[in-house]
Amino acid sequence: ILNVEQSPQSLHVQEGDSTNFTCSFPSSNFYALHWYRWETAKSPEALFVMTLNGDEKKKGRISATLNTKEGYSYLYIKGSQPEDSATYLCACILEYGNKLVFGAGTILRVKS
Amino acid sequence: EAQVTQNPRYLITVTGKKLTVTCSQNMNHEYMSWYRQDPGLGLRQIYYSMNVEVTDKGDVPEGYKVSRKEKRNFPLILESPSPNQTSLYFCASRGGSTSQYFGPGTRLLVL
Repeated sequence: ILNVEQSPQSLHVQEGDSTNFTCSFPSSNFYALHWYRWETAKSPEALFVMTLNGDEKKKGRISATLNTKEGYSYLYIKGSQPEDSATYLCACILEYGNKLVFGAGTILRVKS
Repeated sequence: EAQVTQNPRYLITVTGKKLTVTCSQNMNHEYMSWYRQDPGLGLRQIYYSMNVEVTDKGDVPEGYKVSRKEKRNFPLILESPSPNQTSLYFCASRGGSTSQYFGPGTRLLVL
């Protein structure tokens, strides 16, 4: 059974704070790690797809890193804004052709 | 425009009345999935498909059927809906190495 764990479950920060979340996954037979942003009343939207150990991706104020040997990925948000409030999901594929398994998500609330 | 479409977006039905939620993607993706989202439970996969005529159960397949006769379509069938299938349903598709695209969601209420 593939377990994808995310922490913390929820996070409340002030506008301007920088924050980060963790996604943990089994390190054996790793194929790909996805991050998604899911706003209330909308569909999840893709942020990053990462496949290589040491990968770093950046999109504006959001960045992510990947460590496949120890089985974790970090998502960073620099200078959080109220519009960053959303649930952040990570998902993992072990072996090409296998299904994408989602973690439970981290709920971020940014107060202005 | 790359997209995943679902229909209907909202549906109210009664217990036992068969229904189908359609899903279509225009990106020639191999993989398609159905998820349900319930409060406090996140996204749970119902079924997924790796290509035409290839489907597999997800985490919560009971009470659902799917088919993949064409690459672009992946309908979700509830043969005899029950109130515990009241939920928000998402269809999604992806290529082998691409991110996943989600449809807009279908909100189902079974009375």
